Amino acid sequence: KAGVTQTPRYLIKTRGQQVTLSCSPISGHRSVSWYQQTPGQGLQFLFEYFSETQRNKGNFPGRFSGRQFSNSRSEMNVSTLELGDSALYLCASSLYLRRPFSGNTIYFGEGSWLTVV
Amino acid sequence: AQSVTQLGSHVSVSEGALVLLRCNYSSSVPPYLFWYVQYPNQGLQLLLKYTSAATLVKGINGFEAEFKKSETSFHLTKPSAHMSDAAEYFCAVSGAGNEKLTFGTGTRLTIIP
Repeated sequence: KAGVTQTPRYLIKTRGQQVTLSCSPISGHRSVSWYQQTPGQGLQFLFEYFSETQRNKGNFPGRFSGRQFSNSRSEMNVSTLELGDSALYLCASSLYLRRPFSGNTIYFGEGSWLTVV
Repeated sequence: AQSVTQLGSHVSVSEGALVLLRCNYSSSVPPYLFWYVQYPNQGLQLLLKYTSAATLVKGINGFEAEFKKSETSFHLTKPSAHMSDAAEYFCAVSGAGNEKLTFGTGTRLTIIP
């Protein structure tokens, strides 16, 4: 069973540009969430999608956006890139949006490394 | 609001020695607690999770954690460290009805040969 797949793995962008990152969840998983990881701020929640609807959002500016398609695949977009957006962006998927199902584990992809220069 | 605190950003142990990584949580609702491991240049891999079924949770690679409500702790242990355990470990918490994970700041584990 394939895991969470993120593309691209590495990319370099120039300040002011925009970037789109893609995430394919584990087959059958309908919930997709995104996290940003930086040395200074650690792992921070960006947003979460279920059935093509954003269900939860972290404390990030409006330059960060996302969407989910009918096949559960998700993309996140960052516009007007800043140097501080350089980070590892992690996508995670799970079966259900709501717990308390004990099998509702969140699985992470390998991440997309974004460098803004 | 939920949060976790990981005590010790860096921990070094000798190969074969006990590994103990500390995590304390704060949650206004019964928490779901997780330990993830991150190897260099990789994503997060789930080690184990607590979902109220049992207070002692066994995970992969010989790791286990015990949920102690009275101490609001969920420390990660392994009886005998192996060189391959060198990585960064993250404790995380979520609440019922919410997929959002709140992570600790991580503990980098170094194994001394």
